[in-house]
Amino acid sequence: GAVVSQHPSRVICKSGTSVKIECRSLDFQATTMFWYRQFPKQSLMLMATSNEGSKATYEQGVEKDKFLINHASLTLSTLTVTSAHPEDSSFYICSARVPTVNQPQHFGDGTRLSIL
Amino acid sequence: AQSVAQPEDQVNVAEGNPLTVKCTYSVSGNPYLFWYVQYPNRGLQFLLKYITGDNLVKGSYGFEAEFNKSQTSFHLKKPSALVSDSALYFCAVRGGQNRDDKIIFGKGTRLHILP
Repeated sequence: GAVVSQHPSRVICKSGTSVKIECRSLDFQATTMFWYRQFPKQSLMLMATSNEGSKATYEQGVEKDKFLINHASLTLSTLTVTSAHPEDSSFYICSARVPTVNQPQHFGDGTRLSIL
Repeated sequence: AQSVAQPEDQVNVAEGNPLTVKCTYSVSGNPYLFWYVQYPNRGLQFLLKYITGDNLVKGSYGFEAEFNKSQTSFHLKKPSALVSDSALYFCAVRGGQNRDDKIIFGKGTRLHILP
């Protein structure tokens, strides 16, 4: 089955640090990847849609200069949280979709980001 | 606009009993419906999907879901619950024919299977 790998699984760092999270589709090519944020006991909030070779599409209310997304290849998308602050602490999950309309999205295992 | 509702925040079921996790949806056009499960500190795992065809869809780990067009529902079911089924379950919908249409997730239902 389709596998999505997300790294790192956990990050603890000081306020002001920039943090990069990688999302890889291991056995398929993903023209589209998605980045979600999940708060405790809540559903997934779509942050942005990452398109290979073009700019990401951000959801309303998500700061694109704060959350930089790069989708440089068909198997890799990165999310960089720039100058992270404690309010950015959250669980970030990436997802990729096999590029046919009937296929489900496949998810990485998430990254727990803790900003001190 | 697309939407999906999971009316129950939490469902408690005794081990061995049948379980149902409810989901209703609203979408223009034909819906693509999905169920995912999330274990603590993990991403979402795909359980099953409905695209077309038989209304009863069978998926992973013995789960199944029934598509009901008239009631716009897609409830998740399992005949006999296991303690290991305890997790957070998300229903999701994608409407339309555009493969770029986004999936919309419900708020999730926490399933507790009591030993």
